[in-house]
Amino acid sequence: AQKVTQAQTEISVVEKEDVTLDCVYETRDTTYYLFWYKQPPSGELVFLIRRNSFDEQNEISGRYSWNFQKSTSSFNFTITASQVVDSAVYFCALSGSYSNYQLIWGAGTKLIIKP
Amino acid sequence: DAGVTQSPTHLIKTRGQQVTLRCSPKSGHDTVSWYQQALGQGPQFIFQYYEEEERQRGNFPDRFSGHQFPNYSSELNVNALLLGDSALYLCASSLGTGLEPQHFGDGTRLSIL
Repeated sequence: AQKVTQAQTEISVVEKEDVTLDCVYETRDTTYYLFWYKQPPSGELVFLIRRNSFDEQNEISGRYSWNFQKSTSSFNFTITASQVVDSAVYFCALSGSYSNYQLIWGAGTKLIIKP
Repeated sequence: DAGVTQSPTHLIKTRGQQVTLRCSPKSGHDTVSWYQQALGQGPQFIFQYYEEEERQRGNFPDRFSGHQFPNYSSELNVNALLLGDSALYLCASSLGTGLEPQHFGDGTRLSIL
C-alpha cells in the first residue's frame, strides 16, 4: 500500500529564517512520482514540483529547493529566507505508475511565517 | 486562459438529500479528478475521469458517482448524504495520463446539517 507521512503538523518561524518541511513515503512501485502542493488560505491547491523516482537530483527554484533521497524514502522541501507570503499548508503527494493514477496525499504541514 | 472552475462555491444540504457538484477543466485538459478534503486533512481521491469513462476509483462508496461530458467538464453526484460527507470537494484537471501535474479549482464547500 502507498502512504505519505508529513510528521510536522505545524511549523512557525520568523520571517527570513530557513525552514524544511519533511515528507516520507511508502510504496512498492519501482516507478512513481512525488509532488509538492501549496494550499494558501484561499483554498486552491497550487502545484510546486513533480519528481519521478528515477531522478534523484536536487531541484532549486528561487528560494525553494527539494531534496529527494530514495535510500530514506524522503522528499523534503526547504524554503530559504522565508517570507510572510509563504504562509500556507504544504502537501506532499505520491502517485503510482502508469496504471495507478490516484494521488495519495500526506496530512499537510501548516507553515506560519511571522513578520 | 481560464483555470479550473467549480460550482457552486458553497452548498448546505440535509441528511438524506442528493447533491451535484460541477467542474470545468482548464482549457486543453482532458482528465478530471475529484477529491474530498475534510478539515485539517489532505485530499482523498474519489475518482478520475478520462474520455467520459471512470478510469480509477478511490475507496468511496457507490453513493459517490460521476460523469464526464464530451467537452471534458464533469459532475460529482452524492446520494443519501451523511453528516460525514461535509467537506471541501476539489476538482483537478490534467492532460493525458493523469500523472501530469494537476490543476485545482477553488473547491465546493459542502455542509450537511
